[in-house]
Amino acid sequence: NAGVTQTPKFQVLKTGQSMTLQCAQDMNHEYMSWYRQDPGMGLRLIHYSVGAGITDQGEVPNGYNVSRSTTEDFPLRLLSAAPSQTSVYFCASRERRLLYYEQYFGPGTRLTVT
Amino acid sequence: AQSVTQLGSHVSVSEGALVLLRCNYSSSVPPYLFWYVQYPNQGLQLLLKYTTGATLVKGINGFEAEFKKSETSFHLTKPSAHMSDAAEYFCAVSEAKDWSGAGSYQLTFGKGTKLSVIP
Repeated sequence: NAGVTQTPKFQVLKTGQSMTLQCAQDMNHEYMSWYRQDPGMGLRLIHYSVGAGITDQGEVPNGYNVSRSTTEDFPLRLLSAAPSQTSVYFCASRERRLLYYEQYFGPGTRLTVT
Repeated sequence: AQSVTQLGSHVSVSEGALVLLRCNYSSSVPPYLFWYVQYPNQGLQLLLKYTTGATLVKGINGFEAEFKKSETSFHLTKPSAHMSDAAEYFCAVSEAKDWSGAGSYQLTFGKGTKLSVIP
């Protein structure tokens, strides 16, 4: 299994541009989520999904959209990039919504918005 | 809402010395508690977790943590630090959020503690 994969690894955007961060998992996990990591802030939940066709907002959803058309893929869309969205983005998945299942993280996407 | 406080954003220890990383949580219900490790330029990896049962939890790489309800703490320890333990460590607590009545459990992370190991 490849686990959780994310592309791209690095991205530089100009203010106002849009882009999609890709996330895929090959473990048939029901639950997937997106976090952003900023220095001194830990990880903050952006959006999550408990199954194909079902998504919900996390702690910091503004400026981001998600959809879940398949079990495997959970892309994160930045609608109009802002410098405040400069961060490292992690996708994660776990087998079920209940937390005693281990959560697996992807390697991250480092995004810079100028 | 549940929250996590990690005391000390940076901790330095000598190789071979005890590692102690502190985590306190707030929760109105019995929590699930986790420690994750992040090596440079990598994603997070689960070290150990407490759900129910034995309060002393053993994890990978010789780490362990003890759940103390009376102190609302879940401190991470390792008897003897190795150079390879240098990383950032995150404590996390579960947070139940209802979605269509089915329940969906989220992780709330602390701000992290960067561990340096001095040769």
